[in-house]
Amino acid sequence: DTGVSQDPRHKITKRGQNVTFRCDPISEHNRLYWYRQTLGQGPEFLTYFQNEAQLEKSRLLSDRFSAERPKGSFSTLEIQRTEQGDSAMYLCAIPGELFFGEGSRLTVL
Amino acid sequence: GNSVTQMEGPVTLSEEAFLTINCTYTATGYPSLFWYVQYPGEGLQLLLKATKADDKGSNKGFEATYRKETTSFHLEKGSVQVSDSAVYFCALISSGGYNKLIFGAGTRLAVHP
Repeated sequence: DTGVSQDPRHKITKRGQNVTFRCDPISEHNRLYWYRQTLGQGPEFLTYFQNEAQLEKSRLLSDRFSAERPKGSFSTLEIQRTEQGDSAMYLCAIPGELFFGEGSRLTVL
Repeated sequence: GNSVTQMEGPVTLSEEAFLTINCTYTATGYPSLFWYVQYPGEGLQLLLKATKADDKGSNKGFEATYRKETTSFHLEKGSVQVSDSAVYFCALISSGGYNKLIFGAGTRLAVHP
């Protein structure tokens, strides 16, 4: 139990469809991070929340990506008009040594 | 900018062999350094960390020493086991900012009996 639950664990979608991933920290944390990990690479930072405020966004986060943390607890990451290049593992992390969820794997056909 | 470079894998060893996985970094200020491990089919787990120069992080028989003079944080283990087979990631958090991790590309370790 890493303290972070992610859903769904695996999503297969067709190009052009929208997908949404959810991250639920088991306990309260004011900071929450999203990362993306492609095959054979280390995770790359996408965005960071302090409570409900999104304070930093990577250049990797194109305008097709949007993340929210409406009540400062769970967070969602939506990808619109998916492309094959979006295929990756999307990881959510909370501080305290940065505990990572097991990730949501996206496959875009 | 900040970056982490680690040796390419795969690293293939026999059980009980000595392991070294090299990691060097580029960062402004005084970063904290980490090793994470990803076992097959599992998520990332923190293995060990060091927050200042000359600190040694250790866990599960693995060790790494923060060397500021060589900007390195090499991972070592004296005697590997088959169960150590995994992908190992070196990472840093730079001083200041929002504590985001910068990862290396990962090194796959395969240990055979």
